[in-house]
Amino acid sequence: QVQLVETGGGLVKPGGSLRLSCAASGFSFSGHYMSWIRQAPGKGLEWLSYIGSGTDYTSYADSVKGRFTISRDNAQNSLYLQMNSLRADDTAVYFCARHKRGYGSYWFDRWGQGTLVTVSS
Amino acid sequence: SFVLTQPPSVSAAPGTTATITCGADNFGIKTVHWYREKPGQAPVLVIHSDIERPSGIPERFSGFKSGNTATLTITGVEAGDEADYYCQVWDGSSGGVFGGGTKLTVL
Repeated sequence: QVQLVETGGGLVKPGGSLRLSCAASGFSFSGHYMSWIRQAPGKGLEWLSYIGSGTDYTSYADSVKGRFTISRDNAQNSLYLQMNSLRADDTAVYFCARHKRGYGSYWFDRWGQGTLVTVSS
Repeated sequence: SFVLTQPPSVSAAPGTTATITCGADNFGIKTVHWYREKPGQAPVLVIHSDIERPSGIPERFSGFKSGNTATLTITGVEAGDEADYYCQVWDGSSGGVFGGGTKLTVL
């Protein structure tokens, strides 16, 4: 069955870096766009970034543009999020999610369980 | 940037109907998708493309959109439906856009 498993979260100091990974299985990973989405404690969902099915196209929310980089390795069925210059307001659970497309739109039909990132001194 | 507005909370008694709204200034051709999130669990897609129900989602869940308001309706509400519900659209310039979420309380 479809499975997405995030790893790499943890405690990091402000200004530090962290790299999240998302291991995909149970589907043709290379055929799907993928996104990172986060949820700060007690807050709603915030879309961060997506990457095309190859590595040719990426897009970012303004809140992380220039600090976060999304990438993927289709040979390893893995999605990544490199997070630099981390701030306290980046503290959140980070989810990877699989895209589905239709009617000119994208939605997220499968999500991982998430990994917690805490930015604190 | 594109903004989706949801009521913070909605309540319904078991067996009744819960209605959660999602408003925008102008959806245009954007379609609306809905997710259910229970504490400590990953979000689950319950409606996509305004009205389409994914396999495995009960028929009690339905979606509708008219004008600048999209609606998620849950008929025959059960205790297990208590969760946070989020609407979402895809915007060409902003990417994924989520509403602020609505907490459904089953009385």
